[in-house]
Amino acid sequence: EADIYQTPRYLVIGTGKKITLECSQTMGHDKMYWYQQDPGMELHLIHYSYGVNSTEKGDLSSESTVSRIRTEHFPLTLESARPSHTSQYLCASSKGLGQYFGPGTRLLVL
Amino acid sequence: GESVGLHLPTLSVQEGDNSIINCAYSNSASDYFIWYKQESGKGPQFIIDIRSNMDKRQGQRVTVLLNKTVKHLSLQIAATQPGDSAVYFCAERRGSSNTGKLIFGQGTTLQVKP
Repeated sequence: EADIYQTPRYLVIGTGKKITLECSQTMGHDKMYWYQQDPGMELHLIHYSYGVNSTEKGDLSSESTVSRIRTEHFPLTLESARPSHTSQYLCASSKGLGQYFGPGTRLLVL
Repeated sequence: GESVGLHLPTLSVQEGDNSIINCAYSNSASDYFIWYKQESGKGPQFIIDIRSNMDKRQGQRVTVLLNKTVKHLSLQIAATQPGDSAVYFCAERRGSSNTGKLIFGQGTTLQVKP
């Protein structure tokens, strides 16, 4: 099992709040990714990083932002949460070809 | 736009039978494919992968077949067990990108009947 962690696992929050979803990996992987996934649906890439101080937007437009100050840490921030942000957010990392996923954060914005 | 897709949203099989989950992709430049298993409330779990220079790869109880002529990928699970119940996604890497970006299909839900 891959050593990649996400917190919180579940989050219920009101509209307008600022939130940060945490993702950490202990494998020393240089590449990290954030996906958004609605229940039972495919994963959509929203952010990725090749390494420290490198971040790029993914294929799905997102109002969230990310940072990569340390190799092992790739947090995602929503400055002002809205009900349309309700979804599952999955973090992944890779060194070569395959990606290893964390358990995800289920976000509900009321 | 182009996407990786699966033929059936749901597949129901009897415990002990073999399962075959299919995936069609549209980009002939894709050079690497992965199958993931996602159980309820969890992140996707790597099952097996295959490069485009291969047409078959076997793991423990799982086999992936790649047919580049018709751009088709399949996952075969032998002697399906209740623990195999999950959503299965195929994913492809397009071209020689070193970003590691993957494109995911829509997923097939495998239901195993006891």
